[in-house]
Amino acid sequence: EAQVTQNPRYLITVTGKKLTVTCSQNMNHEYMSWYRQDPGLGLRQIYYSMNVEVTDKGDVPEGYKVSRKEKRNFPLILESPSPNQTSLYFCASSLWGTGEVGTEAFFGQGTRLTVV
Amino acid sequence: DQQVKQNSPSLSVQEGRISILNCDYTNSMFDYFLWYKKYPAEGPTFLISISSIKDKNEDGRFTVFLNKSAKHLSLHIVPSQPGDSAVYFCAASEGGGGQNFVFGPGTRLSVLP
Repeated sequence: EAQVTQNPRYLITVTGKKLTVTCSQNMNHEYMSWYRQDPGLGLRQIYYSMNVEVTDKGDVPEGYKVSRKEKRNFPLILESPSPNQTSLYFCASSLWGTGEVGTEAFFGQGTRLTVV
Repeated sequence: DQQVKQNSPSLSVQEGRISILNCDYTNSMFDYFLWYKKYPAEGPTFLISISSIKDKNEDGRFTVFLNKSAKHLSLHIVPSQPGDSAVYFCAASEGGGGQNFVFGPGTRLSVLP
């Protein structure tokens, strides 16, 4: 089954304690990205990756890091989490192309992070 | 300043009637638009898309209309069903699609039996 898998689904942590949210896709997609969803703001892109070892900042990258050492994995790293990073996070993957059929994003189930 | 706006946070519709969800955008470079549906505790799932060379795209009960001059698109669901109750996100990108989508804040649709 084609899917994007995120772990953990729920996480409560304390300010400053480094954490990693994992994301894996089994569709051989080139493009992967991370979003955060906040009330009234929709989904905002944090980082994206067009392929292995190619990453770039999205709209809200501050406080986050990513890596893309393998095509299927795209972990999100919070080196020193702060309460304003409390949010719902989604990983997504898609084919790299120029629109039309096949380039819609497939999303994971989400990770609800609370930083206290 | 949000480039993609969904001005109705919520919408309630009777089962069997038409649901119309609206989306406005400000960036004239956007040329590819998508709608996603999201149920609680799940990730968004792709629903339907349209490129700027078209003004309508239909898939079963779902139709998306694009008015480029007004920078407006809408999603029509006919007939609406209780299972359509979800949050709907409009998204846009430029450069023929790409993957750097800008999402709207979402509209929560409730279809009442």
